[in-house]
Amino acid sequence: KNQVEQSPQSLIILEGKNCTLQCNYTVSPFSNLRWYKQDTGRGPVSLTIMTFSENTKSNGRYTATLDADTKQSSLHITASQLSDSASYICVVSAFFNTNAGKSTFGDGTTLTVKP
Amino acid sequence: KAGVTQTPRYLIKTRGQQVTLSCSPISGHRSVSWYQQTPGQGLQFLFEYFSETQRNKGNFPGRFSGRQFSNSRSEMNVSTLELGDSALYLCASSVDRGDQPQHFGDGTRLSIL
Repeated sequence: KNQVEQSPQSLIILEGKNCTLQCNYTVSPFSNLRWYKQDTGRGPVSLTIMTFSENTKSNGRYTATLDADTKQSSLHITASQLSDSASYICVVSAFFNTNAGKSTFGDGTTLTVKP
Repeated sequence: KAGVTQTPRYLIKTRGQQVTLSCSPISGHRSVSWYQQTPGQGLQFLFEYFSETQRNKGNFPGRFSGRQFSNSRSEMNVSTLELGDSALYLCASSVDRGDQPQHFGDGTRLSIL
């Protein structure tokens, strides 16, 4: 069964600090992995999308890494800001099965940035 | 370009009633998917519509149904509401099936009393 596990479940950091969120998956054969940011009361917004051949992808202060061999991804947030407080969701699609409904969603990591 | 628009944003219903939620995708997007999000279950896929046809369906009871119109707008209906249906219902659109990432609306918060 395809699974996506995210850790930690929640995280509290001080403004200006860096943090790393983890995503481990068992989806196979792998097609792509996406990180979404979801603010409270809003819909998820795409941060990065990575395919098998990509190891790193950045979007401003957000940098995602992918190790397809170990089936792990991380999302690194640099110099955190209060606006980074949100839930971060990892989603993985299998090759030949990228249609909606065939993706596997993680339960998300809730990040709280305190002043 | 306007994003995905969901209406209403908030809705309060009582058990046994039915409800219809609306989603207008980004202009030019033909695929619309619906998700249920609850604190305990995370994002759960409901169904996907493309060219007015349901293409995929998640593991939800038949009380949950939807449709898509020729302009790609979509509606979702839940009949005989139960307390457990309280959730944030999200709609996402993409140009074509399989296109990633999907673009999400801000959802409809449904509360069942």
